[in-house]
Amino acid sequence: EIVMTQSPATLSVSPGETATLSCRASQSVTNNLAWYQQKPGQAPRLLIYGASTRATGIPTRFTGSGSGTEFTLTISSLQSEDVAVYYCQQYHIWPPLTFGGGTRVEIK
Amino acid sequence: QVQLQQWGAGLLKPSETLSLSCAVYDESFNTHFWSWIRQPPGKGLEWIGEISYSGATNFNPSLETRVSISVAASETRFSLHLSSVTAADTAVYYCARGRRLRGTGSYYNGFDVWGQGSLVLVSS
Repeated sequence: EIVMTQSPATLSVSPGETATLSCRASQSVTNNLAWYQQKPGQAPRLLIYGASTRATGIPTRFTGSGSGTEFTLTISSLQSEDVAVYYCQQYHIWPPLTFGGGTRVEIK
Repeated sequence: QVQLQQWGAGLLKPSETLSLSCAVYDESFNTHFWSWIRQPPGKGLEWIGEISYSGATNFNPSLETRVSISVAASETRFSLHLSSVTAADTAVYYCARGRRLRGTGSYYNGFDVWGQGSLVLVSS
């Protein structure tokens, strides 16, 4: 099973600043990685797939990068509506498909 | 816009069987695999398993001995059954659209459509 590790657990960022979230895979997943945003009481929403391709309707301030075992989600010009928990997920080797533990983004 | 509507019993006693269903209101029922994913209160996401319209399945090995997923293709509906539940199975359960079929294979672009979630509480 591929283990996904996200850091930091919590990130506090001032409005308008950039949030940088990390995701590490226990072995290479090439670019078979997705990012999700989950707000309280809601289902997750797909942000990024293929490590760097934005899903339909996702604002350009969300950028995914990386390959192999190291990935980054960058949220530029952070807005209050971006407060959420963000998860990475690999779909390179499965079953099982696996998710990271999440990073909580807060407004400073 | 693709919509998933899920339903099922929300309160179970230990050792009972969890049953949830998810209806797909979209033509993509026949072109994708459909997954169940769960989230214990305050915790992260765990993939449970998936099924295609033709009934092909894959499961998380950690749950495989207790899980079954079935499909009612004529009703564009699929269902989750988890036997011998314990308090550790308490979670919000989501259905979601997963990999897309293409020829004899398939590819993932993430889970791009999700149901509204169903809270299942296991308590004596």
